[in-house]
Amino acid sequence: DADVTQTPRNRITKTGKRIMLECSQTKGHDRMYWYRQDPGLGLRLIYYSFDVKDINKGEISDGYSVSRQAQAKFSLSLESAIPNQTALYFCATSDRTETNTGELFFGEGSRLTVL
Amino acid sequence: RKEVEQDPGPFNVPEGATVAFNCTYSNSASQSFFWYRQDCRKEPKLLMSVYSSGNEDGRFTAQLNRASQYISLLIRDSKLSDSATYLCVPAMDSSYKLIFGSGTRLLVRP
Repeated sequence: DADVTQTPRNRITKTGKRIMLECSQTKGHDRMYWYRQDPGLGLRLIYYSFDVKDINKGEISDGYSVSRQAQAKFSLSLESAIPNQTALYFCATSDRTETNTGELFFGEGSRLTVL
Repeated sequence: RKEVEQDPGPFNVPEGATVAFNCTYSNSASQSFFWYRQDCRKEPKLLMSVYSSGNEDGRFTAQLNRASQYISLLIRDSKLSDSATYLCVPAMDSSYKLIFGSGTRLLVRP
């Protein structure tokens, strides 16, 4: 089983609908992240959380919200989806140790299409 | 100017070839540097970290030039399995402030 699991893996929805992408991890990491990937733009950070009580905006948080329900769960919501939110979304985790290697562990991605 | 610039490629090389990718970054305060690999339609995975002036891991060598603000990745004796997109990732701080480049695509042909 994957250490970082995202659901759903694929979703097609319509403009204006509310969408939630869920992420759960079994790695025991404190830090969790949501990124989106668009062709030619690389991965961009939406939100990140260092623990259950610590949530921070990334570079492109407008139109998104998150919830850290537990150490192992971090969900991303689109309150009213729009077509330019069509993208591949990745959840990731990392360890907080001082010797952090910069390694993020990614889920397999959630492909969202907004019509 | 983009924070991280990479030639998108694709670099199309025969098996056994040596290939090098460069990456430039704009933020001189970047402290840590990484190369990630991403296979088609898959999640990115850490390939290697780049320490001080550079480091080697088997067929892979990463170099850092802080003065010119670029990072390079050299792959020797290319394998078919090296076909992937290579993402250059400078970081302001460990972990949370990773800035991902859009990647360089490598195709290794038989």
